[in-house]
Amino acid sequence: DTEVTQTPKHLVMGMTNKKSLKCEQHMGHRAMYWYKQKAKKPPELMFVYSYEKLSINESVPSRFSPECPNSSLLNLHLHALQPEDSALYLCASSQDLRPGYTFGSGTRLTVV
Amino acid sequence: AQSVTQLGSHVSVSEGALVLLRCNYSSSVPPYLFWYVQYPNQGLQLLLKYTSAATLVKGINGFEAEFKKSETSFHLTKPSAHMSDAAEYFCAVSAKGTSGTYKYIFGTGTRLKVLA
Repeated sequence: DTEVTQTPKHLVMGMTNKKSLKCEQHMGHRAMYWYKQKAKKPPELMFVYSYEKLSINESVPSRFSPECPNSSLLNLHLHALQPEDSALYLCASSQDLRPGYTFGSGTRLTVV
Repeated sequence: AQSVTQLGSHVSVSEGALVLLRCNYSSSVPPYLFWYVQYPNQGLQLLLKYTSAATLVKGINGFEAEFKKSETSFHLTKPSAHMSDAAEYFCAVSAKGTSGTYKYIFGTGTRLKVLA
């Protein structure tokens, strides 16, 4: 299995909702990442987990809450989002913290 | 600090013509360099990477890139464009920061259009 699987592929949520994005990989990678990508822009790093511990938080608002329950799974919990948070959210993984990521196909999030 | 500049936000080529997408980087330490391709509503797929081995790097789908330290460039080429190459292409640099963690810096992307 050489894939990073993200679910759901599309999500529409209201500003008062709570939802979660899920990312899973079975390549034995020990580093996992969340990126946010706005239309026609490059991906922007949000969080990095290394060996299930949060390694980097790029000053992301607290309405985004990451969680890494085990080495194969990464969640992003969403609460009280704003319309400007609408974007493609990409998960990635790598063998360790050295570069060379495998990206998932993303979750297209729309906040209404 | 590392940075990446992609010259040309849009590039159009005819089918069968040479593809050349430009990337210049800035890095105070030896960098890792990458090219990724993104199709609409998809994630990023790694095309190729430079990790200080051979300066000419061959990737998937017939793409290759040459690392030129003197020019701080890592341009992506393909001898003959195919319609399926139409996509967004991102160049990225990664180097170890003071915290010991590698971080990607992406360029702003180049949208490749292939004309029939």
